Amino acid sequence: GNSVTQMEGPVTLSEEAFLTINCTYTATGYPSLFWYVQYPGEGLQLLLKATKADDKGSNKGFEATYRKETTSFHLEKGSVQVSDSAVYFCALWSNDYKLSFGAGTTVTVRA
Amino acid sequence: ETGVTQSPTHLIKTRGQQVTLRCSSQSGHNTVSWYQQALGQGPQFIFQYYREEENGRGNFPPRFSGLQFPNYSSELNVNALELDDSALYLCASSRTGGGSYNEQFFGPGTRLTVL
Repeated sequence: GNSVTQMEGPVTLSEEAFLTINCTYTATGYPSLFWYVQYPGEGLQLLLKATKADDKGSNKGFEATYRKETTSFHLEKGSVQVSDSAVYFCALWSNDYKLSFGAGTTVTVRA
Repeated sequence: ETGVTQSPTHLIKTRGQQVTLRCSSQSGHNTVSWYQQALGQGPQFIFQYYREEENGRGNFPPRFSGLQFPNYSSELNVNALELDDSALYLCASSRTGGGSYNEQFFGPGTRLTVL
């Protein structure tokens, strides 16, 4: 079945540091890949997506590239801010009705 | 445009009781999906409703059931509550059609605590 494995946290960074959260997946067919973010006290929000191999999703300074050869979709941001403190979830959708999520990575950015 | 809303925000029940959680979908959306998010884990798919029928189900027992109404709102019912049912329950709405992925928009969730 479909599954997502993402880097375990928590991750603590200083402001303006570089952030990478690794995500790999197992899926049948050609999945679409997503990063969702959950800020404290809020619901899940779609951060970015990529629907086919070599696509790059980007939003709010975050980027992730769909790598079919390594079945990966790593999230990166070049300079994090305190406001980026949240839980980040990698997810996939593979021509069925549900999203499959990773376990989440908690990121804390210190001023 | 009104987003996805859920009620109640928080709920405390005891083992063996029954609970009903409610979700109003975003305007223009015809599909509702429910997810369970245990503490420190990612959301797990429970089921999806489309055109008032269950359209798919995850690995949850039959005591988890649901309904979708003609206005596309939905209920999640859980019977015979167990301690492990304590979690954040998320509802997501989307517009089904075309065979491709249609973005799911999530509500803020209902925090259920079973004592």
